[in-house]
Amino acid sequence: GQQVMQIPQYQHVQEGEDFTTYCNSSTTLSNIQWYKQRPGGHPVFLIQLVKSGEVKKQKRLTFQFGEAKKNSSLHITATQTTDVGTYFCAGPPIGSYIPTFGRGTSLIVHP
Amino acid sequence: NAGVMQNPRHLVRRRGQEARLRCSPMKGHSHVYWYRQLPEEGLKFMVYLQKENIIDESGMPKERFSAEFPKEGPSILRIQQVVRGDSAAYFCASSPGPGARDEQFFGPGTRLTVL
Repeated sequence: GQQVMQIPQYQHVQEGEDFTTYCNSSTTLSNIQWYKQRPGGHPVFLIQLVKSGEVKKQKRLTFQFGEAKKNSSLHITATQTTDVGTYFCAGPPIGSYIPTFGRGTSLIVHP
Repeated sequence: NAGVMQNPRHLVRRRGQEARLRCSPMKGHSHVYWYRQLPEEGLKFMVYLQKENIIDESGMPKERFSAEFPKEGPSILRIQQVVRGDSAAYFCASSPGPGARDEQFFGPGTRLTVL
């Protein structure tokens, strides 16, 4: 079945440093979604990318969807302590409505 | 404008008991997904339902687990004869339906502990 891998599993940064998490799917995706989950909380939708090669920005966050629609990345510029949490990518394979979630990257920001 | 509601937020059961988890989707949403999350792991898809229909239950164990989304009332995930391995956080998410925007809105989750 479809597998979605995310790396790294954990990332420690000093406040102000940049952060990137990578997402790779074993199959072509119809879209890629990114979610953020704070410790003890629930996943919150951040963004959805649909087109091959698409890039979207939300303030300090930049999201990319690969040309082959099998990989994606999330980059945070100048991290803040409020960025702490686990970032999940999720994507349904072509022809499916069920997104497969990656295991997430936990971001720890040290002040 | 209430979001997705789940109850109870915390549930403790002894081995062999039944657990019933409830999920009320956002107003206007007719699609519900249930996920299970173990500590420091991702979300594992269990079941996808529309009103009165199970669309995809490929992620749900065949035994002891069942789900429904009746015409009236919340969606219910039922776990019979719980075992310690069922301890996890169970999240439901709702969406208006598949389409150009597949965003899922998650509830706060039910943390199930089996003693």
